[in-house]
Amino acid sequence: SQKIEQNSEALNIQEGKTATLTCNYTNYSPAYLQWYRQDPGRGPVFLLLIRENEKEKRKERLKVTFDTTLKQSLFHITASQPADSATYLCALIRTGYQKVTFGTGTKLQVIP
Amino acid sequence: EAGVTQSPTHLIKTRGQQATLRCSPISGHTSVYWYQQALGLGLQFLLWYDEGEERNRGNFPPRFSGRQFPNYSSELNVNALELEDSALYLCASSTGPLGYTFGSGTRLTVV
Repeated sequence: SQKIEQNSEALNIQEGKTATLTCNYTNYSPAYLQWYRQDPGRGPVFLLLIRENEKEKRKERLKVTFDTTLKQSLFHITASQPADSATYLCALIRTGYQKVTFGTGTKLQVIP
Repeated sequence: EAGVTQSPTHLIKTRGQQATLRCSPISGHTSVYWYQQALGLGLQFLLWYDEGEERNRGNFPPRFSGRQFPNYSSELNVNALELEDSALYLCASSTGPLGYTFGSGTRLTVV
């Protein structure tokens, strides 16, 4: 089965810096890769989706890259703010399926 | 546009009892997904319903079951509750793979 690895250790960065989160997967190459934000006690909020034939996607201060050779996605938040502090989840969808498989997430703490 | 709504927000049950959790998807979304998130763990896929049918099931025992109604709302039932069933249960809806919309979840506590 698909295994998704995200850095389980919290990432602490200074306000204004760029935060980079990593998502690695094994086995099949997903058709879609998604990133979500989750605040404590709340449901995840969808941020970005990137398709297997796309290398990069941007949305405001967010950037996602997708390298199917390395089986890795990187999620960047530029000019980070304390309000960006949350857990960020990587999620994969396999070709022909609709079920989404989630990673365990990386907790980001932006220090003022 | 109303988002995905879940009820109740919190639920406390005794071991061995049954719990019923409810979810209303976004209007127009026919697919509903249920996930379990135990404390400190990732989201574990439970069930996927689409057009009233169960389409896929995660690696959970049969005492986890559910259904989808004609109006696409859904119910998750957990029978013979065990302490380890304590978790945040999340419902999501979508029209396809372009991103789920999650509800705020039901916090189930089994004592």
